[in-house]
Amino acid sequence: GNSVTQMEGPVTLSEEAFLTINCTYTATGYPSLFWYVQYPGEGLQLLLKATKADDKGSNKGFEATYRKETTSFHLEKGSVQVSDSAVYFCALSPYGGFKTIFGAGTRLFVKA
Amino acid sequence: EPEVTQTPSHQVTQMGQEVILRCVPISNHLYFYWYRQILGQKVEFLVSFYNNEISEKSEIFDDQFSVERPDGSNFTLKIRSTKLEDSAMYFCASSNAGQGADEQFFGPGTRLTVL
Repeated sequence: GNSVTQMEGPVTLSEEAFLTINCTYTATGYPSLFWYVQYPGEGLQLLLKATKADDKGSNKGFEATYRKETTSFHLEKGSVQVSDSAVYFCALSPYGGFKTIFGAGTRLFVKA
Repeated sequence: EPEVTQTPSHQVTQMGQEVILRCVPISNHLYFYWYRQILGQKVEFLVSFYNNEISEKSEIFDDQFSVERPDGSNFTLKIRSTKLEDSAMYFCASSNAGQGADEQFFGPGTRLTVL
């Protein structure tokens, strides 16, 4: 079946540190891959997406590359800010399907 | 910027009662979804809806659940007889296209507490 596994949190970093949140997936066919972010008290917002192998999604300094050979979609940012503190969800949408399947979420705390 | 809205933000109900959670999707979107997130757990897909019918549903979405688009703007999730384990955050989402890569826009959620 389809599933998403992401690293457990919380992740605590100092401002300007490098961020990596690991995400791997299991899917049949060619899913689309997403990272969503949830700020405190808010809904889920799409951060970035990639729809085929080797695509790189990027937004607000975050990026992730669709790696089919390793079934991974790791989220990276070169220099985090306090305002990046949130919960990050890796997700996939199966090819031809309507639903989005989410990972468990990784909480990020960034200290000033 | 258009956004998905949900009401109420928090609903408290007694076990066995019916609840209706309301959502107003983005106006030109055609596909609508409900997800739930039990505290500390994953966001789980419940159901997708298009052209006035369910297009896909999960095993969670049993006979206690129903969805409806009663007018041109609202999209509702009804839980007929709530159970303690229905306590969760419920997110509505909408998208312009249904399958694969199209972005789903999420509302802020309704926190349902069943006592």
